[in-house]
Amino acid sequence: EDQVTQSPEALRLQEGESSSLNCSYTVSGLRGLFWYRQDPGKGPEFLFTLYSAGEEKEKERLKATLTKKESFLHITAPKPEDSATYLCAPPASSNTGKLIFGQGTTLQVKP
Amino acid sequence: GAVVSQHPSRVICKSGTSVKIECRSLDFQATTMFWYRQFPKQSLMLMATSNEGSKATYEQGVEKDKFLINHASLTLSTLTVTSAHPEDSSFYICSARDYRGNEKLFFGSGTQLSVL
Repeated sequence: EDQVTQSPEALRLQEGESSSLNCSYTVSGLRGLFWYRQDPGKGPEFLFTLYSAGEEKEKERLKATLTKKESFLHITAPKPEDSATYLCAPPASSNTGKLIFGQGTTLQVKP
Repeated sequence: GAVVSQHPSRVICKSGTSVKIECRSLDFQATTMFWYRQFPKQSLMLMATSNEGSKATYEQGVEKDKFLINHASLTLSTLTVTSAHPEDSSFYICSARDYRGNEKLFFGSGTQLSVL
């Protein structure tokens, strides 16, 4: 059964304090993994797609990495505007195009 | 990037009424759209997969007669919550996949449904 687990569930950081979010998954025939950012009351906003182990992608203060079993979202010197819920999602093993979402990590960055 | 428009963003209705939510892909054709439901502080739960020109595929436990999905064109899918009850109150989000098979999903801004 496809499963995605994100940790921690919640993370509080001071502005400038770097950290990492974890996404662990069990999906057969992994065909990539997506990271999204979701603000309260809004739909998820696409951040990254990673397709193979060892791949890295960066966007501003965010960097996503992928291994065979997990993915990390590194946040370097975060700012209060980075506060949001971060969701990871691999495509389902069934190859139907649907994504399997983790429960998310809610990040709060205090000034 | 691709844009998915969802309307309305918020709706309040009385128990027993039906509510229709629209999801449009604005700058690409979407053969497949997905409807998710999200309760407070929980993740997105897939309700159904909507395929243009064919019947939707519902996830286990989702009542197809309760949540009617229509995907009549390559740019529009609708979700109708029939005979809504307070327990149907939730945040509904659609997503669209472009027709070229890219598995990247673009999400709408969501609809907050409150049933009184």
